[in-house]
Amino acid sequence: TQLLEQSPQFLSIQEGENLTVYCNSSSVFSSLQWYRQEPGEGPVLLVTVVTGGEVKKLKRLTFQFGDARKDSSLHITAAQTGDTGLYLCADNTDKLIFGTGTRLQVFP
Amino acid sequence: GAVVSQHPSWVICKSGTSVKIECRSLDFQATTMFWYRQFPKQSLMLMATSNEGSKATYEQGVEKDKFLINHASLTLSTLTVTSAHPEDSSFYICSAADRRANEKLFFGSGTQLSVL
Repeated sequence: TQLLEQSPQFLSIQEGENLTVYCNSSSVFSSLQWYRQEPGEGPVLLVTVVTGGEVKKLKRLTFQFGDARKDSSLHITAAQTGDTGLYLCADNTDKLIFGTGTRLQVFP
Repeated sequence: GAVVSQHPSWVICKSGTSVKIECRSLDFQATTMFWYRQFPKQSLMLMATSNEGSKATYEQGVEKDKFLINHASLTLSTLTVTSAHPEDSSFYICSAADRRANEKLFFGSGTQLSVL
């Protein structure tokens, strides 16, 4: 069974700071997705990466897929309070399996 | 994007009763839907894959007789928590795969179940 470990588990920072969240797999991803979930809601897809070494940018968010396709990172530049939420990586093979999650709190 | 409606959004029930949660794809047909459970401050755990017209496929450790899944049409899957107990209290979320969008998944807004 594939295990997706995310780190850190919790992150509490002030507005304007930068941060990086990591996702590591015990096996190769076929494709990797990043989601953000707010309390009481379903997760929302941020990005899908497929190719090893791929880098995608979404405004202040930068997503990187490891060359070996077993790890990924999400970097947020100049965090805002609206970035607060649970960030989840997920492997999308035949069914979507989520990572352990990183809970981010951005304070004003 | 496609819309997945989940109902109810929250439910409180007494221990021993059964609760049914509905998941509907409003503007597309979904041959496959997924059910997840999420405990407070934790990630989403896949419970089962719901296939239209056939039996659901349950993940290891999930009791199929406890969590009954029915996917009778291409737009509706239901999850029934039978004889609910306080430890079943959780946030349940469904997702549906849209064939028109290369099986992209769309999530419902979740159901918060509290068993007293």
